[in-house]
Amino acid sequence: KQEVTQIPAALSVPEGENLVLNCSFTDSAIYNLQWFRQDPGKGLTSLLLIQSSQREQTSGRLNASLDKSSGRSTLYIAASQPGDSATYLCAVADSGGYQKVTFGTGTKLQVIP
Amino acid sequence: NAGVTQTPKFQVLKTGQSMTLQCAQDMNHEYMSWYRQDPGMGLRLIHYSVGAGITDQGEVPNGYNVSRSTTEDFPLRLLSAAPSQTSVYFCASSSSRAFYGYTFGSGTRLTVV
Repeated sequence: KQEVTQIPAALSVPEGENLVLNCSFTDSAIYNLQWFRQDPGKGLTSLLLIQSSQREQTSGRLNASLDKSSGRSTLYIAASQPGDSATYLCAVADSGGYQKVTFGTGTKLQVIP
Repeated sequence: NAGVTQTPKFQVLKTGQSMTLQCAQDMNHEYMSWYRQDPGMGLRLIHYSVGAGITDQGEVPNGYNVSRSTTEDFPLRLLSAAPSQTSVYFCASSSSRAFYGYTFGSGTRLTVV
């Protein structure tokens, strides 16, 4: 059974700092990995999607990397802003017939002005 | 705007009542799924569907029913609501094999008293 862990559960940083969020998974036979952002009381917004054959994806100030062999993904946020404050979730899709998705419990990020 | 639409956004039920949470998508996605999100437990899969007429159970299916008569709609039925079903419910959809990742609705916050 796939297990997805996100550490730390909460993170507080001053504005402007570069930061890394971590996601680890136990089964390396994945189809893809997706990073989401969730604002309080809202739904999930997709940030980046990395296919199993890819090493990284970039969108603006965000960069996500994937190392299947070690079961890890990182989300790098450059020059953090208060508007980046949210909970960040990673979701791993298995490579089976139906790509069952397992979510981590998230990292709650607070960027202090 | 294209996407996943969930109704209602909020609902309060009395124990024993039944109700249906609605989910509709206009992206012609084959895969649709229902998750519940509880504090400290992340998102857990309730039921999913890989196409019209095909549904299967997820991790926490007890107390819930689904059907998929069309590609667009995937309603979730609570048969006899219990306080343990107090949660935030999310519907998600994806194209075949989730190559482009998942799109989530904005959620339904359900309270059972």
